[in-house]
Amino acid sequence: SQTIHQWPATLVQPVGSPLSLECTVEGTSNPNLYWYRQAAGRGLQLLFYSVGIGQISSEVPQNLSASRPQDRQFILSSKKLLLSDSGFYLCAWTEGTAANYGYTFGSGTRLTVV
Amino acid sequence: SQKIEQNSEALNIQEGKTATLTCNYTNYSPAYLQWYRQDPGRGPVFLLLIRENEKEKRKERLKVTFDTTLKQSLFHITASQPADSATYLCASSGGSYIPTFGRGTSLIVHP
Repeated sequence: SQTIHQWPATLVQPVGSPLSLECTVEGTSNPNLYWYRQAAGRGLQLLFYSVGIGQISSEVPQNLSASRPQDRQFILSSKKLLLSDSGFYLCAWTEGTAANYGYTFGSGTRLTVV
Repeated sequence: SQKIEQNSEALNIQEGKTATLTCNYTNYSPAYLQWYRQDPGRGPVFLLLIRENEKEKRKERLKVTFDTTLKQSLFHITASQPADSATYLCASSGGSYIPTFGRGTSLIVHP
């Protein structure tokens, strides 16, 4: 069966520090991968999605970036964190488009920038 | 872009009753709607998908309806239980194949 792993679960980082969140999927090949952010009391905001290795689409221009170095690995990064980057970050995957299958989300990373 | 509206006020009901949550969409007539459950501090869990040519979809105690005239989807949980307490998110296609999520409605089922 397919599983998605996301880590770390919680992270407290100072302003200006770098960030690296990692997500891996097991049990499937060539998944569509996504990074979402959920701020308190707000909806899920799509940050990046990828339909294949090295293919990244950005939905929100900001100081975050994403990479997909391997088929089932998706990384969210920042060189310098801002206070506004605090939030709940979720990785997700779909087999094909989300039109046919719902998202499978990871357990999330709670990021607090101080 | 698509806009999804869900009631921001929590829905409080008694155990055993039917919970009904509403999802309204604007702009694009979606090809599908999805419903998710999210527990505090956890990622959302996919529950049901209903397409534009479907009026109703059922899964165990869950039922989803899709009314393109009203631009609305209703999510029902029959015989609700305290374990059903969670936030329920609606997501809709529209404009692109990537769905847009609502902010969710909190459901609290009292024993």
